[in-house]
Amino acid sequence: AQSVTQLDSQVPVFEEAPVELRCNYSSSVSVYLFWYVQYPNQGLQLLLKYLSGSTLVKGINGFEAEFNKSQTSFHLRKPSVHISDTAEYFCAVRITGGGNKLTFGTGTQLKVEL
Amino acid sequence: KAGVTQTPRYLIKTRGQQVTLSCSPISGHRSVSWYQQTPGQGLQFLFEYFSETQRNKGNFPGRFSGRQFSNSRSEMNVSTLELGDSALYLCASSGGRGETQYFGPGTRLLVL
Repeated sequence: AQSVTQLDSQVPVFEEAPVELRCNYSSSVSVYLFWYVQYPNQGLQLLLKYLSGSTLVKGINGFEAEFNKSQTSFHLRKPSVHISDTAEYFCAVRITGGGNKLTFGTGTQLKVEL
Repeated sequence: KAGVTQTPRYLIKTRGQQVTLSCSPISGHRSVSWYQQTPGQGLQFLFEYFSETQRNKGNFPGRFSGRQFSNSRSEMNVSTLELGDSALYLCASSGGRGETQYFGPGTRLLVL
């Protein structure tokens, strides 16, 4: 079975500061990795995904993530956050060749303050 | 292209009733998956449908069921509602199995 750990339930940060949201996963088989964002009263929006190739993945809204196989991590970063980035962020994994089932972490609430 | 649509957006039911939620995938998408989101359990996979067949099922009781129609629209049904079924139910569609999933806005169900 797969599992995803997001150790930080909340991350407060000042506007224009850099941020890193941590994600670690556990799986006995090969997985794909995803970050989704959820704004209040909305569904999930895909930020970025790692399927193969370069371990540094760039996504929308200036976010990027780096896949580290040895540390089984997929941390999300943004060099300068904006108030509009305030939202909940979910890391997820999907087994390669295993259909569409996503296993999610518990989420990290990013709160950007002035 | 229009995104994934879910109806209704909000629903209030009482214990013991049943409910049906609907999901219309992005045009051309053939795969639909359902997830339950609660504050306590987070996001949990319910089931996945592709070409009208259930391909995968999460660890939920038999009260939770679903189906997919020939036009790829999907419904999920919860019978004999319990208070713990109060949640945001999210539907996601993709072109096929193993492809990127796009989520709808969800149906918020409140069971009283």
